[in-house]
Formats: sequence, structure tokens, C-alpha cells
Amino acid sequence: GAGVSQTPSNKVTEKGKYVELRCDPISGHTALYWYRQSLGQGPEFLIYFQGTGAADDSGLPNDRFFAVRPEGSVSTLKIQRTERGDSAVYLCASSYSGGDTYEQYFGPGTRLTVT
Amino acid sequence: QQQVKQSPQSLIVQKGGISIINCAYENTAFDYFPWYQQFPGKGPALLIAIRPDVSEKKEGRFTISFNKSAKQFSLHIMDSQPGDSATYFCAASNRGSTLGRLYFGRGTQLTVWP
Repeated sequence: GAGVSQTPSNKVTEKGKYVELRCDPISGHTALYWYRQSLGQGPEFLIYFQGTGAADDSGLPNDRFFAVRPEGSVSTLKIQRTERGDSAVYLCASSYSGGDTYEQYFGPGTRLTVT
Repeated sequence: QQQVKQSPQSLIVQKGGISIINCAYENTAFDYFPWYQQFPGKGPALLIAIRPDVSEKKEGRFTISFNKSAKQFSLHIMDSQPGDSATYFCAASNRGSTLGRLYFGRGTQLTVWP
């Protein structure tokens, strides 16, 4: 079946602009995660949704970052007043939170470059 | 503070050899330990995972060894192939208090020479 999809695959924006990154999870997966991966590093957790609600947003670096999942499926990560330090690959993952499984499946990521 | 420490940072192995990557953690509440493989320009792909109630899990050429008392776990790739050349990440999570968020190591770049 279809995996996690993310759009756009690449986004170049100017410092100070607003960007939206989209994630389409695997159908039926109720849990959705956003991570950020800087060059040469492992992914770092940003936020976790269970259904429509943000169950854990402790990884968001500051209030310029916000994410929504209004219908419990697609999620959008929003970054206001982008800074050059926001440049990274933003990864989305989803998992089925029923039963005894923890497996998270990642999308290909969106590479954000802030110039 | 790095919750999961991974070594080595890079590894070069000859085709047919064994690749070994090690990870250590401090949080004894972690109860799930996956390994991910990542190719350039792609997202991490789940390779194999283990729970702390077993000491070893094998899937094909990939084996996780888990030492609960030492708080260490490792990935062994047997008969390494050039197609295994990628970056490998260990991770850990605790479903209870952290709701499944994964803490990743910094990664190991594996190169398998033909």
C-alpha cells in the first residue's frame, strides 16, 4: 500500500517568510509525528498527534513553529518568520497506535532551505 | 543531552564482512529499540526492532543484540553487501511516558567495499 507522503519535496524560501509543509500518513494510522533532521544528525522529535490533538508538542523549538491535524489524517507543519537556522529536512512519520505495536514509518521528507 | 549514543560515526567494511554498530542509552524506561536505514535523499526506513524482554532478534542478515543490564544494544549485519551502504540510526522510545516519540542516535555511515 501507499506509504507516508510529504509535499513539497523541496522548499526554498527567503528569511522571514512563512512556509507550510504537508504530511499524508498511511491510511488507518492514528498517530503522526514530525521530526527535524539537520545535516549529519539523527532526526529530532518536534510534535506528536494522536488523532486530531497534539499529544506532545514539547519538541517544537519556539512559537514560530505550529502544526495541525484537523481531521485526524493529513497534517501541516507551519513555520512563521523563517530563519536560516530552520534549514533542515522535515520528516513525518505515522504509526498504528492500536495493539502492541510501536512501529513508525517515515516519509521521504521535505528539504527546507532558508536563504 | 543525547539520550541515545551511537558509535562508530563511520564504518568501512569489505563485502562479505560483518558490520557492527553500537548504541547505549541511560533511560531505563525505554522499552522499544528500532534500527533505521537511510539512503541519501530518502526518509529513514525501519529495519528491525527489539523489546527489552529478549536478548537477540534476527531477521535475515540483520541481528540486534540487546544487553539490558549494560543498557546497550547493537546491530550486526552479516555478509555485508555494497547495497547495504547507507546511514544507520539506532533509536529508543518509551510508549508510556513519552508516547512513543523516538530518540535517535547521531547515525553511522556504513560503506561496504565490493
